[in-house]
Amino acid sequence: GAVVSQHPSRVICKSGTSVKIECRSLDFQATTMFWYRQFPKQSLMLMATSNEGSKATYEQGVEKDKFLINHASLTLSTLTVTSAHPEDSSFYICSAMLGYNPYEQYFGPGTRLTVT
Amino acid sequence: AQSVTQPDIHITVSEGASLELRCNYSYGATPYLFWYVQSPGQGLQLLLKYFSGDTLVQGIKGFEAEFKRSQSSFNLRKPSVHWSDAAEYFCAVGAFGNEKLTFGTGTRLTIIP
Repeated sequence: GAVVSQHPSRVICKSGTSVKIECRSLDFQATTMFWYRQFPKQSLMLMATSNEGSKATYEQGVEKDKFLINHASLTLSTLTVTSAHPEDSSFYICSAMLGYNPYEQYFGPGTRLTVT
Repeated sequence: AQSVTQPDIHITVSEGASLELRCNYSYGATPYLFWYVQSPGQGLQLLLKYFSGDTLVQGIKGFEAEFKRSQSSFNLRKPSVHWSDAAEYFCAVGAFGNEKLTFGTGTRLTIIP
C-alpha cells in the first residue's frame, strides 16, 4: 500500500514553454502533498505544500507564479513549470502524506525535467 | 527549528560486511525520525520510522535503526550488506504538529566485492 506515482518520468521541453507534472496517490487519499526539487548529488529541497481544495503554501524563495500547483482532488496534485528555462532543469519529486500526527510521507519516483 | 546532520557524505563497504550510517538530529521535543533510500534516478523509499515506543526499530530489507535520545542520534544499521544496497540514504526528522520533513544531506553507499 501507500503507492505514489508521477507522470511523466522524464520530460524534455524547449525554453519558454510550460510543462505539467502529475502526482497521484494510487491507493489512499491524501489531503496534503508536497513538491520537492533535488539537484544532482544533493538533498531534497521542499518547494511547496499542496492541500486539496486550497492554495498551495510555497517555501521562501520559490516563485509561486513560476511553479503553479493545483491539488484538485484527494488523489491528484499537479506542478506546472511555466516559461521554463534551463536553470529549471532538475529532478522533481512529489510526496503524499498518509495519516496525521504522526505524519508519514510516501514519495513518487520523481520526474526528470530537462529544459533545452 | 529542526535539523538533521548526516556526517558521512560517502561510505564504502565490502559486500557481506556490516554497515552503520550516522544521523544526528536537533529538535526540542520528541522527534519523528525516518530513514529513506534512493536508488539512482528514483524517488525515495521508506526504510523505517520511529515515532515512539521501542527505541530499536526494524525496517525493510534487513535494516534497523536505534533512537538514542541522549545522543540525539538515529543511526541506521545492517549486519551484512548486499550489492543491491548501493544507493543514497537520507535521514529525515518530523515532529508532532509539523507536517514538513527536514532531510539530511544524504550518505552515498558504495558496495565493493
